[in-house]
Amino acid sequence: SQTIHQWPATLVQPVGSPLSLECTVEGTSNPNLYWYRQAAGRGLQLLFYSVGIGQISSEVPQNLSASRPQDRQFILSSKKLLLSDSGFYLCAWSVSPENSSPLHFGNGTRLTVT
Amino acid sequence: AQSVAQPEDQVNVAEGNPLTVKCTYSVSGNPYLFWYVQYPNRGLQFLLKYITGDNLVKGSYGFEAEFNKSQTSFHLKKPSALVSDSALYFCAVRDRGGATNKLIFGTGTLLAVQP
Repeated sequence: SQTIHQWPATLVQPVGSPLSLECTVEGTSNPNLYWYRQAAGRGLQLLFYSVGIGQISSEVPQNLSASRPQDRQFILSSKKLLLSDSGFYLCAWSVSPENSSPLHFGNGTRLTVT
Repeated sequence: AQSVAQPEDQVNVAEGNPLTVKCTYSVSGNPYLFWYVQYPNRGLQFLLKYITGDNLVKGSYGFEAEFNKSQTSFHLKKPSALVSDSALYFCAVRDRGGATNKLIFGTGTLLAVQP
């Protein structure tokens, strides 16, 4: 069966420090991969998605970047964190092509920038 | 453009009573529709989806949803609520014939089941 791992679960970082959040998927090949941010425990904002190694699409201009160095690895990064980067970050995967397939989410990383 | 509306920020229901969480959608073509549940500090869990066919879809944990094309709705239902059903519920839509294949989420409805 397929599983998705996200770490760390919680992170407290000072403003201006770098960020690296990692997500890996097991049990499937060539998945579509996604990074979402959830602010104030509600709305989901799609940050990045990837349909293959090295292929990243950015949904919103921001202080963050994403990379996909391996088929089932998706990394969210920042060179210098801002206070506004605080939030709950969720990684997800889906079958490619998606069509009727749902997204499957990791357990998230709660990032607090101080 | 695709959109999803969850008109209720919160739904309160007594344990043992039926529950309904509302969702309406707007797509240019035919939709794929999904429901997810999120418990505190956890990721979203897939509950059920509508692809085609029977308008009543059954999913995990006793939940079901009814697709109504004329009303463009996909309401989530359960005959008898449990306290453990208290969580945040998200409706999502994907336009199978649209220019984009992205999944669009609603803003979520907090379900509170009182014992």
